Amino acid sequence: AQSVTQPDIHITVSEGASLELRCNYSYGATPYLFWYVQSPGQGLQLLLKYFSGDTLVQGIKGFEAEFKRSQSSFNLRKPSVHWSDAAEYFCAVNNAGNMLTFGGGTRLMVKP
Amino acid sequence: DGGITQSPKYLFRKEGQNVTLSCEQNLNHDAMYWYRQDPGQGLRLIYYSQIVNDFQKGDIAEGYSVSREKKESFPLTVTSAQKNPTAFYLCASSQTGGGQPQHFGDGTRLSIL
Repeated sequence: AQSVTQPDIHITVSEGASLELRCNYSYGATPYLFWYVQSPGQGLQLLLKYFSGDTLVQGIKGFEAEFKRSQSSFNLRKPSVHWSDAAEYFCAVNNAGNMLTFGGGTRLMVKP
Repeated sequence: DGGITQSPKYLFRKEGQNVTLSCEQNLNHDAMYWYRQDPGQGLRLIYYSQIVNDFQKGDIAEGYSVSREKKESFPLTVTSAQKNPTAFYLCASSQTGGGQPQHFGDGTRLSIL
């Protein structure tokens, strides 16, 4: 069965610092991978997606993610974090059909 | 603008009462989903529907029911059989076919009176 692990439940970074959120997946075939962001009391917004091809994927709000097949990872990065990036981030893998399996989420806090 | 509308934003349930959460989409998506989110946890799938008049149970369907009479609408009923209904409920939709991203509504927070 497919699974997604986000090892860090909470991360705190200073504003302007770089950010990397980890995501590891377990899936037999070539996966479709997604990162979503959720602000408090809101739904999930798609940041970026990986289907195939270039392993470095650009998304909205200055985020990018790199697919590494050998490490079964799809880590999310941002060079310089803004206070408005404070939110919860979810990694997800597309399994059979349209179904998504989500990781447990990483809550990002940004220090001024 | 196309999107997904969930209503109400906040809902309160009395003991023994059924309540229905609304989800409407104008994205022309065939597939729709209901998730439950508890504090500090990820999303758990309750029900999903790939086409009108058809739906399947997800991982935690007990105590919930759905209908899919129209492509645009996928209401979720939280029945009195659901003993711990307090949670944040999210509706999503997508096109069918592998790798399609899901688009989410803004959620409904359900609490027990």
